[in-house]
Amino acid sequence: EVQLVESGGVVVQPGGSLRLSCAVSGFTSYNYNMHWVRQHPGKGLEWVSLIAWGSSTYTYYADSVKGRFTISRDNSENSLYLQMNSLTTEDTGFYYCARVIRPYASSSDGSFDYWGPGNLVTVSS
Amino acid sequence: QSVLTQPPSMSAAPGQKVTISCSGSNSNIGKNYISWFQQLPGTAPKLLIYDNDKRPSGIPDRFSGSKSGTSATLGITGLQTGDEADYYCGTWDSSLNAGVFGGGTKLTVL
Repeated sequence: EVQLVESGGVVVQPGGSLRLSCAVSGFTSYNYNMHWVRQHPGKGLEWVSLIAWGSSTYTYYADSVKGRFTISRDNSENSLYLQMNSLTTEDTGFYYCARVIRPYASSSDGSFDYWGPGNLVTVSS
Repeated sequence: QSVLTQPPSMSAAPGQKVTISCSGSNSNIGKNYISWFQQLPGTAPKLLIYDNDKRPSGIPDRFSGSKSGTSATLGITGLQTGDEADYYCGTWDSSLNAGVFGGGTKLTVL
């Protein structure tokens, strides 16, 4: 059974750092594009970042997080990470990791078929 | 301001049909496949439609998708009270090199 579970969300002060993790099971994440999507409380979905399948050479970021967030994966651990630095109150929200529906997909594939339950990050003083 | 434009809210009676629109541009919907997601309160989004018009296994054929040019549509027939949710369209923007979503449509089944 495919499962994704996020962890690491806490309350952090503005300017602080945080690393989110996404533990995956039921499939080999090495073969899949993996994404982070966030949702500010009561608001819509916002795409955050993509790491392409394979050796993690290709990564993409939303302009709102570029230069502050870093996506990575540990294929031996079958895990996905999001290192978040220089956090602001605008980064508060639920963070979801998500998988695309097919292996070896192109970067433009936005068919997220499995999502984690979400993890709340709160940036507040 | 979302890159993709959806109506903020729609409503219809049980048993009726509703169509939710999603408008974009040549660099996103015009160039890439569109997906549709359903989000029930307090839960993660769920994939309803991918590759413009395909349904994942387990999604009933009451849900359908289509795309024409830079716009896409999600159709839901035989509305049920359980269909009350937020619906999002999403795709890739080849100019931004980023994923993009619509602002979401809150569907009320009266």
